[in-house]
Amino acid sequence: DAKTTQPPSMDCAEGRAANLPCNHSTISGNEYVYWYRQIHSQGPQYIIHGLKNNETNEMASLIITEDRKSSTLILPHATLRDTAVYYCIVGMYSGGGADGLTFGKGTHLIIQP
Amino acid sequence: DAGVTQSPTHLIKTRGQQVTLRCSPKSGHDTVSWYQQALGQGPQFIFQYYEEEERQRGNFPDRFSGHQFPNYSSELNVNALLLGDSALYLCASSSEGWDGEQYFGPGTRLTVT
Repeated sequence: DAKTTQPPSMDCAEGRAANLPCNHSTISGNEYVYWYRQIHSQGPQYIIHGLKNNETNEMASLIITEDRKSSTLILPHATLRDTAVYYCIVGMYSGGGADGLTFGKGTHLIIQP
Repeated sequence: DAGVTQSPTHLIKTRGQQVTLRCSPKSGHDTVSWYQQALGQGPQFIFQYYEEEERQRGNFPDRFSGHQFPNYSSELNVNALLLGDSALYLCASSSEGWDGEQYFGPGTRLTVT
């Protein structure tokens, strides 16, 4: 079973910041938080990942609480192309390439024009 | 760089038959993971291959088997197909150098009738 809890759906206005929450209260010390998204009929796309510190890349920012029990993915300026299902995943890295991921049902983010 | 490629894109089989799906990883990647995604659900991890060995396995029966070739490409085999095996089968690749990202292919849509 997935180790994360996400709202099933969210709306956001185009051009505004989209903030997607995720609860992972049972996360262990060596588990990472990953975010992927899946646009309809395509394979999932990696967004960002982190262990303890906040992370930022060209797509998004990841804010992890100090106790690591929750996190927020931030898309700073949402566009219509950001409409997708967003998955928050907790998992380990044990070497030899990223471990198999346990996906939940994710959050369906709808960007409104 | 072609990214992760999968073949075929669509496939229709009859209950009881066997099927083989193929995946070529992103250039430079040596680890291949397979996922099953039923309609309306998140992807479920089947297994992962690294150095031609099954390294991790999810909660799938032995009817699901795989292989990795010396060029890192991989096959997923499913025997004795059931109606419930109808799904999108996704392949993802990553590298031992791991940047936290698994690259997913577009998937193979399998329909079992």
